[in-house]
This record gives sequence, C-alpha cells and structure tokens, in this order.
Amino acid sequence: AQSVTQPDIHITVSEGASLELRCNYSYGATPYLFWYVQSPGQGLQLLLKYFSGDTLVQGIKGFEAEFKRSQSSFNLRKPSVHWSDAAEYFCAVGTSTSGTYKYIFGTGTRLKVLA
Amino acid sequence: DAMVIQNPRYQVTQFGKPVTLSCSQTLNHNVMYWYQQKSSQAPKLLFHYYDKDFNNEADTPDNFQSRRPNTSFCFLDIRSPGLGDAAMYLCATSLGQGRAFFGQGTRLTVV
Repeated sequence: AQSVTQPDIHITVSEGASLELRCNYSYGATPYLFWYVQSPGQGLQLLLKYFSGDTLVQGIKGFEAEFKRSQSSFNLRKPSVHWSDAAEYFCAVGTSTSGTYKYIFGTGTRLKVLA
Repeated sequence: DAMVIQNPRYQVTQFGKPVTLSCSQTLNHNVMYWYQQKSSQAPKLLFHYYDKDFNNEADTPDNFQSRRPNTSFCFLDIRSPGLGDAAMYLCATSLGQGRAFFGQGTRLTVV
C-alpha cells in the first residue's frame, strides 16, 4: 500500500540555521512527490514538486528537495531558516490507480523557529 | 487571485443538523477533492471527482456525501454531523496528475 512517513513530528531550529525535514514514501511505481506548507488556519501551499528529471528540485521561499530513489526519500531543505518559515510541513505522494489520481499525505512536521 | 474558493471559511452547525460546504474553482481542472483534516493531523481524503466520476474512499463514512453539478463547483454534504466531524475541510483541484491547488479550507464546529 502507498504511504508517506514523516518521522519528525516537531522540529525546532534557530533563525538562520539550516533545516532538513525528512520524508520517506512507499509506492510501487515512479512517484510524484510534493511538499506543502500550512500556516495555522490556512489551506496548503505548494512549495515544490518532483515528477521526473533532475532529482534536486527548487521551490519557492528558498526551499529545495532531493529525490533519492534508493532510499525512497524526498527530504526538504533550506540553508537558512527565517522566522516566517514557522508552520506545518506536509510531504505527499501522488498516486494513480485505475484512471483516478489522488494524494496521500504524511502526518506533517511542525517547525518552530527561535529568534 | 483566488483560484479555489471555499465558502464559508467558518461554519458552526448543530449536532445532527445537515450542513453543506461549498467549493468553487476558476482553473477548469477536471479533478476535485475533499479532504478532512483534524487538529495536528494529516489531511485525509474523503472522496474525489475525476470529471463526473465519483470516487469514494473505502473508509469514508456514509454520513458524508458530495455533489459536483458542473466543472466549477463541488459540495460536501454532512447529513448528520457529530462532534467527531468537527475539523477543517479542504477542497483541492488538479488537472489530471498535475499538482493540487488547495482552497483556504472551511473550519467546521459542531455544537
């Protein structure tokens, strides 16, 4: 069965420090992978996506993620975190079954940024 | 420019009183999704429409229904809301296997 695992429920970093959020997936075929960010009481905003090609993808707000097929991972990184990055981050895999398409989300990682 | 619009943003309903949440899109996407997100949890897919074809998740309670009268609109009907149905409800759209665009969500409170 398809699944997405985000091992870290909470992460706290200092402003200006680097960040890595982990994501592992389980999917039989080549996955479509996404990272979304959610501020409190808001919908989900797409940070970046991987469909194919270059395994290092760049997103908005200075985020990047690297697809590693051998590790079934799609970790999100940012070299220098800003206080405005405090939010919840969801990794998702897009799955296609019998002509339909849907997204499966991880349980999320809540990021806290210390001034 | 809002592309996926959910109304209302906040909805309070009484226990057992039917409630309808609405979602509209200006993207002309063929797929529309409804997710339920409880506090500090991942969004959980309830069902989705691929064009006019309705796809219900196996574990979605019968209490939840959906209608899609045209490409632009999709409704979530909760026939008899219980306290456990209080959550954020997220509508999303996609064009086939493309990225999903999410609305701002409707926070449902059941009293």
